Amino acid sequence: GAGVSQSPSNKVTEKGKDVELRCDPISGHTALYWYRQSLGQGLEFLIYFQGNSAPDKSGLPSDRFSAERTGGSVSTLTIQRTQQEDSAVYLCASSLVRNSPLHFGNGTRLTVT
Amino acid sequence: QQQVKQSPQSLIVQKGGIPIINCAYENTAFDYFPWYQQFPGKGPALLIAIRPDVSEKKEGRFTISFNKSAKQFSLHIMDSQPGDSATYFCAASTDFGNEKLTFGTGTRLTIIP
Repeated sequence: GAGVSQSPSNKVTEKGKDVELRCDPISGHTALYWYRQSLGQGLEFLIYFQGNSAPDKSGLPSDRFSAERTGGSVSTLTIQRTQQEDSAVYLCASSLVRNSPLHFGNGTRLTVT
Repeated sequence: QQQVKQSPQSLIVQKGGIPIINCAYENTAFDYFPWYQQFPGKGPALLIAIRPDVSEKKEGRFTISFNKSAKQFSLHIMDSQPGDSATYFCAASTDFGNEKLTFGTGTRLTIIP
């Protein structure tokens, strides 16, 4: 596909369960980002991958959150022991290099019941 | 800690009018100021961006005005159309990069025919 693809588009889970969110960036893009968008809020930076460098995890809100990027392409954001405050839209973006335009996916809407 | 304050929260303008959305920042290290447009159910899309060495940038009907001394920047939409109805986010970052963008809380713009 031409754009950033995220799956699933919607996820409903029970409090305490683990969830995995997937992001397929645009082919050839070296930089990949995860952001979280809560209702009525702006986007909150979570984590950033650049090539083979160690990711910048400084935005992850707790140790229940982790992310990996395999083979410099697909990324998975994992949230363990989900809480109700984790409910949000999780957005993935990619860019050719760090200072080229960001391309966002349509997000995964996570609802924790 | 909100480092980018965006106003208004919502805005209704008649077709052909010029909506203006304002953002103010605190961190003087910010040197890259993009604006994103987001339609319901979609990820944000880069609209226009400015760096602090210029006071104004135009792309089509969209103009950014930048006031470095006041630490403020604004988006103007000329000849607004109903298709411009969307949520607009300002953002800022350091080192001219996309990582760790700090976003405003968004402005929901409605253009009425």
